[in-house]
Amino acid sequence: NAGVTQTPKFQVLKTGQSMTLQCAQDMNHEYMSWYRQDPGMGLRLIHYSVGAGITDQGEVPNGYNVSRSTTEDFPLRLLSAAPSQTSVYFCASEGGYEQYFGPGTRLTVT
Amino acid sequence: RKEVEQDPGPFNVPEGATVAFNCTYSNSASQSFFWYRQDCRKEPKLLMSVYSSGNEDGRFTAQLNRASQYISLLIRDSKLSDSATYLCVVQSFGNEKLTFGTGTRLTIIP
Repeated sequence: NAGVTQTPKFQVLKTGQSMTLQCAQDMNHEYMSWYRQDPGMGLRLIHYSVGAGITDQGEVPNGYNVSRSTTEDFPLRLLSAAPSQTSVYFCASEGGYEQYFGPGTRLTVT
Repeated sequence: RKEVEQDPGPFNVPEGATVAFNCTYSNSASQSFFWYRQDCRKEPKLLMSVYSSGNEDGRFTAQLNRASQYISLLIRDSKLSDSATYLCVVQSFGNEKLTFGTGTRLTIIP
């Protein structure tokens, strides 16, 4: 079991560029989510999905899109990167009340 | 007022000492409570769930006080490997979404 995997580990973008952060899990979990972590802010929920084909907004969804075409994959798309999106992004899947987090993507927008 | 509040620390504690953290939550409908541990530049991992009756896992004890709306984590006989940030996490009844505290940073000093 690989658990939750994320790619890339690091990324630098210029303002206005778009990109997709990849997330996959092999635990057959229905619930998946994306968080961002900023100093002094804790983890904040961006988007989540309760199963394939179903997504919903979290606390800070603006500037991000998600899709869930399969149980395994939950990509996060930045539409037009802004410096305020500089953060560490964690994908998670939930099984039995436990959140399993991926290793994170460190994103810098210049 | 933040939904979940923690003392950010840092707590610098000598090896072998006992250390306790508190976390307060504002939503009285909160039903599930957890402590997660996050090592530097790593993803959060579940340390333990917090039950109404309190629970213990080796050197770690978690307590819940619903009347005062706080949870606590006690670490006895602290080890160097306990150095990490400890995240308080709260989940409301019927809601998959979790609310994370900003974390308490603990450093165990040899």
